[in-house]
Amino acid sequence: ELKVEQNPLFLSMQEGKNYTIYCNYSTTSDRLYWYRQDPGKSLESLFVLLSNGAVKQEGRLMASLDTKARLSTLHITAAVHDLSATYFCAAIHSGNTPLVFGKGTRLSVIA
Amino acid sequence: DAGITQSPRHKVTETGTPVTLRCHQTENHRYMYWYRQDPGHGLRLIHYSYGVKDTDKGEVSDGYSVSRSKTEDFLLTLESATSSQTSVYFCAISESELAGSLTNTGELFFGEGSRLTVL
Repeated sequence: ELKVEQNPLFLSMQEGKNYTIYCNYSTTSDRLYWYRQDPGKSLESLFVLLSNGAVKQEGRLMASLDTKARLSTLHITAAVHDLSATYFCAAIHSGNTPLVFGKGTRLSVIA
Repeated sequence: DAGITQSPRHKVTETGTPVTLRCHQTENHRYMYWYRQDPGHGLRLIHYSYGVKDTDKGEVSDGYSVSRSKTEDFLLTLESATSSQTSVYFCAISESELAGSLTNTGELFFGEGSRLTVL
């Protein structure tokens, strides 16, 4: 059974600082997904990582995937308040099986 | 934005009453999903569908049933609502088979959510 763990679950960081959110998964996964959720809103797709070593960047966020370590990271560079949200990672075991989500990391960026 | 509409968006009901949530898509995607979101649990899969009349259970399917009589609609029914089913329910859709597709990433697109309160 595929399990996905994120850490930390809560993160309070100062504006301008860097930090990394970690996403570990328990069994082989073809792909890894990152989503963002603002309070009271739906989930928005951020990144789709399709293979080992994949790295994707959008603004101050960069995601990477290491399938051998069963680890994905979401790195935040020079955080700004607008990045405050909950971030979810999700993995897929194989083929068309449904995505399994982590519990989410609630990020709060403070001045 | 993917064309996904959930209804109702908010509902308050009493224990023991039946409740049906509707998910409607205009993308003609094959796969549709119902997740529930609760504090401390993230998103958990209730049921999903891989085609008309084809459905399967997820992690937390007890107390829920689903139906999909046409591609665009996926209904989630609580036959007799309980307080433990108070939650935010998200519908999601995705395209078809991943294998061999250069453009299909398998990512999910979510509806706006339906907040259900069972008193």
